[in-house]
Amino acid sequence: NAGVTQTPKFRVLKTGQSMTLLCAQDMNHEYMYWYRQDPGMGLRLIHYSVGEGTTAKGEVPDGYNVSRLKKQNFLLGLESAAPSQTSVYFCASRYDLVGGTEAFFGQGTRLTVV
Amino acid sequence: SQQGEEDPQALSIQEGENATMNCSYKTSINNLQWYRQNSGRGLVHLILIRSNEREKHSGRLRVTLDTSKKSSSLLITASRAADTASYFCATDRSGGGADGLTFGKGTHLIIQP
Repeated sequence: NAGVTQTPKFRVLKTGQSMTLLCAQDMNHEYMYWYRQDPGMGLRLIHYSVGEGTTAKGEVPDGYNVSRLKKQNFLLGLESAAPSQTSVYFCASRYDLVGGTEAFFGQGTRLTVV
Repeated sequence: SQQGEEDPQALSIQEGENATMNCSYKTSINNLQWYRQNSGRGLVHLILIRSNEREKHSGRLRVTLDTSKKSSSLLITASRAADTASYFCATDRSGGGADGLTFGKGTHLIIQP
């Protein structure tokens, strides 16, 4: 049982380049999330999904797009990378929200935009 | 916006001592959770406490919740070097909200051998 898997783990981009981060979970969770973590800022929500085919904006969505074509996958895209998007990106999933459930996190993707 | 704020931002103690971290939050919640993050790794869930609970234990962890003060504390007893990590509180707001957990900025705990 792999849990939540993120690829790639590291990436360096030049300003203006594009890339897609992949998150895959094998726990049949409905809810999936993309966060970014910056020093001193904690985790901030970029986009989230409440099920296959749905996406919604979080706290810091600008410059990012997402898709959830399959329940197990949640993709985060950067169309034109900027240095301000240098960060560590985490994907997370939850089974549901009723009664409160824990979130399972991937190992993170460290992205540097030069 | 950040819902939780951990205090202190950093804590350094000797192995074997107890470590206490605090979390304050702003809105009504359904539950509060604590997570640990080792350097360079993802977050790992430690414990969940619901809004109608006041205290919860799990191994060497003890969590308290005071909804009247909108605060929680995490106590790690008999600390070990392996407890060195960052600790985050996270809240599920009352009334749902599919955007899920809102995290604080974390407390960085260092256990000195």
